[in-house]
Amino acid sequence: GAGVSQSPSNKVTEKGKDVELRCDPISGHTALYWYRQRLGQGLEFLIYFQGNSAPDKSGLPSDRFSAERTGESVSTLTIQRTQQEDSAVYLCASSLTPHGVTYEQYFGPGTRLTVT
Amino acid sequence: AQSVTQLGSHVSVSEGALVLLRCNYSSSVPPYLFWYVQYPNQGLQLLLKYTSAATLVKGINGFEAEFKKSETSFHLTKPSAHMSDAAEYFCAVSPTLGGFKTIFGAGTRLFVKA
Repeated sequence: GAGVSQSPSNKVTEKGKDVELRCDPISGHTALYWYRQRLGQGLEFLIYFQGNSAPDKSGLPSDRFSAERTGESVSTLTIQRTQQEDSAVYLCASSLTPHGVTYEQYFGPGTRLTVT
Repeated sequence: AQSVTQLGSHVSVSEGALVLLRCNYSSSVPPYLFWYVQYPNQGLQLLLKYTSAATLVKGINGFEAEFKKSETSFHLTKPSAHMSDAAEYFCAVSPTLGGFKTIFGAGTRLFVKA
C-alpha cells in the first residue's frame, strides 16, 4: 500500500518568505508527527497530532512555526518569515494507535528546505 | 516522563566485528521500544521493535536487541558488521499506558572500517 508522502521533496526559498510543507499519512493512521533534522543531527520533535485531540505543540521552536491537520488526513506545516536556521529536512511520520498505544512510525521521505 | 539515552554519538567498528549500540530508557512501566535506521541520504525505517512479547527481538539485516527490564536497556547488536551497516541508528520509546507520544534518542552514527 501507499506509504507516507511529503511534498515538495525540495524547497528553496528566500529569507523572509513563508513556506508550506505537506504530509499525507498512511490511511487509517491516527497519529501524525512532524520532525526537523538539521544536517548531521538527530530528530527534533516539532508537533504531534493524535486523532481529534488537541495537538502537542511543545516542540515548535517559535511562533513562526504552525501546523494543521484535517481530521486524520493531510497535515500542513507552515513556517512564516523563514530564517536561514530553518534550513533542514522536515520529516513527517504516521502511526497506528490501537487501544491507546503507539506502534512503530512510518516515515515519509522528507522535505529538504533551504533558506537563502 | 519518559526519556531515551543513547550512549555514544559515534561508534566505529571494523568490518566483521561485533556491533553494539547502547540504549537506555526511563519509564515508570515497561514501554514499547524501537530501533530505527537511517542510511545516508535516505529516510528512517524500522529496524526492529519490542512490544512485550519475547525479550530478544530480531530485526532486519541480522540485527537484534534484547529488552532487559532490570537494566532498563534495549541495546542493539549484530555479530559481524558489514560495510553496508554504516548509518545513523535511533532508539525510541512509546508509552503503553496513555500518553501516546514516541520519544527518540539523539542517535548513534555507526562507522564501519574496512
